[in-house]
Amino acid sequence: DVKVTQSSRYLVKRTGEKVFLECVQDMDHENMFWYRQDPGLGLRLIYFSYDVKMKEKGDIPEGYSVSREKKERFSLILESASTNQTSMYLCASSQPERRNTEAFFGQGTRLTVV
Amino acid sequence: GNSVTQMEGPVTLSEEAFLTINCTYTATGYPSLFWYVQYPGEGLQLLLKATKADDKGSNKGFEATYRKETTSFHLEKGSVQVSDSAVYFCALILNTGGFKTIFGAGTRLFVKA
Repeated sequence: DVKVTQSSRYLVKRTGEKVFLECVQDMDHENMFWYRQDPGLGLRLIYFSYDVKMKEKGDIPEGYSVSREKKERFSLILESASTNQTSMYLCASSQPERRNTEAFFGQGTRLTVV
Repeated sequence: GNSVTQMEGPVTLSEEAFLTINCTYTATGYPSLFWYVQYPGEGLQLLLKATKADDKGSNKGFEATYRKETTSFHLEKGSVQVSDSAVYFCALILNTGGFKTIFGAGTRLFVKA
């Protein structure tokens, strides 16, 4: 059974803390993505990666960075957490070769910044 | 630009009612179209997909037809169940740019017993 695993389901962090959200996939996928999900706004792409050590900005990269040192792992970093980064964060992976490829999602991390 | 627009929710239905959730898209080129579902407390999972005009995707009693002339991909189910209560996302993948998925805002469905 294919799987995308996010390290935490719930996190509470203080303003100004550095926060790491980890995501691991076991499908040998090339593509990995980080989204945030907010009511009424749907899913917004933060960053994505097509290969190890490669990253590209999505639609809302400000305040975030990412790291992909190994193919199976894609980390989202909040350098200095702020309350407006309280959200549900979803990691996904997919294969690039087929145009009908689906994205596989983790269960999400609900982050609260206080 | 490329975008997906779906009807605002929440949609509230009684069990066994007919469901339609509208989805239209704007895209350069020829996208593939998807519906994802998110059950409470879970991530998204693929419900159905269609890759070319007039294709019909179907799964678990849900279906949607890729209509190129109206740039639409409406989700339908003839008889909903309480267990269908979830958030439904329409999405597209372009055949350029690394197959990035573009999502609609999501439509929450409540089904009452």
